[in-house]
Amino acid sequence: DQQVKQNSPSLSVQEGRISILNCDYTNSMFDYFLWYKKYPAEGPTFLISISSIKDKNEDGRFTVFLNKSAKHLSLHIVPSQPGDSAVYFCAAATNFGNEKLTFGTGTRLTIIP
Amino acid sequence: DADVTQTPRNRITKTGKRIMLECSQTKGHDRMYWYRQDPGLGLRLIYYSFDVKDINKGEISDGYSVSRQAQAKFSLSLESAIPNQTALYFCATSAPSGNQPQHFGDGTRLSIL
Repeated sequence: DQQVKQNSPSLSVQEGRISILNCDYTNSMFDYFLWYKKYPAEGPTFLISISSIKDKNEDGRFTVFLNKSAKHLSLHIVPSQPGDSAVYFCAAATNFGNEKLTFGTGTRLTIIP
Repeated sequence: DADVTQTPRNRITKTGKRIMLECSQTKGHDRMYWYRQDPGLGLRLIYYSFDVKDINKGEISDGYSVSRQAQAKFSLSLESAIPNQTALYFCATSAPSGNQPQHFGDGTRLSIL
């Protein structure tokens, strides 16, 4: 049972445009959400997070939106840059402790110059 | 130097062999984790440790064991490797307080023939 779902395996976006990556979850106990970025032959790198008490968190070009009623979160990257080409994983945790992260299957983002 | 170092980076071995993957960190974090990633799937938690005396099973611990030799070292062992343990293995660390993101090593690609 996939509790965290990223339904788009891949996404291509023109450089300078907005990239929107989506993630859905089924477990209503999740209260902390993270986005990781992964380049080939490297480990995932933490990008941005949001707790369930917020609906938006912004860090530079990256904004994460959380819609608890829809059990949906999204990552917006504006403007998209070629270095943003990577695989993006969303992850979720329960009970305010992130020892058990549940990951989605990832979305490969390609930024077209 | 990387904050979270995994050795070896690549390993090919035969069914039935005992294998140890090692992880060391210089971040001073108490919490350490082992994950595996299979193609098309997200990362899944194998074991995690909150300190040297605390070891916990994750989602897919069968066929694996771990050892926390020191705060900075956390090893994963496959006692008798089987082909379906072929995967990419990641070690991660995190600080103990509140919602802290996990920081990943660059992974070990393990192939079992």
